[in-house]
Amino acid sequence: GDSVTQMEGPVTLSEEAFLTINCTYTATGYPSLFWYVQYPGEGLQLLLKATKADDKGSNKGFEATYRKETTSFHLEKGSVQVSDSAVYFCALGGYSTLTFGKGTMLLVSP
Amino acid sequence: EAGVVQSPRYKIIEKKQPVAFWCNPISGHNTLYWYLQNLGQGPELLIRYENEEAVDDSQLPKDRFSAERLKGVDSTLKIQPAELGDSAVYLCASSTEDYNEQFFGPGTRLTVL
Repeated sequence: GDSVTQMEGPVTLSEEAFLTINCTYTATGYPSLFWYVQYPGEGLQLLLKATKADDKGSNKGFEATYRKETTSFHLEKGSVQVSDSAVYFCALGGYSTLTFGKGTMLLVSP
Repeated sequence: EAGVVQSPRYKIIEKKQPVAFWCNPISGHNTLYWYLQNLGQGPELLIRYENEEAVDDSQLPKDRFSAERLKGVDSTLKIQPAELGDSAVYLCASSTEDYNEQFFGPGTRLTVL
């Protein structure tokens, strides 16, 4: 079945550092790929998405490229801020629902 | 535009007691989802509704869990009786026909003592 594997956290960075959170997936067919973010005490919010191979999703300075050859969708940001501290979930869209990874906590210090 | 509303936000009960969670989706969203999120894990689908019909309830433990969406708008998820292992966050989400873009509520954190 479909599955998503994310790097374990927490990822601890200083403000303005470069961020990479790795995500790989296993799926049949050609799923859509997503990154969701969950801030403390809040629900999940869609951060970005890509619907086909080589697409790049981007939002709020975050980017991720759908790599079919490596079955990956790594999340990157060039300069993180304290306000980016949250849990980040990689997900894939199958036939009619989403399959999530376990989440990666990001902690950014001033 | 109001987001997905869930209540209560927190619930503490003793094992073997019943508990119910309520969700009101975004207006116009025909599809409603209930997810279970255990600590340190991603959300896992419990049930999906298209209007008032439960179209995917394969992961819902039907011996103790039940759900309804009688008028195709708000929904209730019930556990009876609750067990210690049910302690988790219960998330509700909704979407239009494009299930890829789901909007999540803040969740209900359940603690079973």
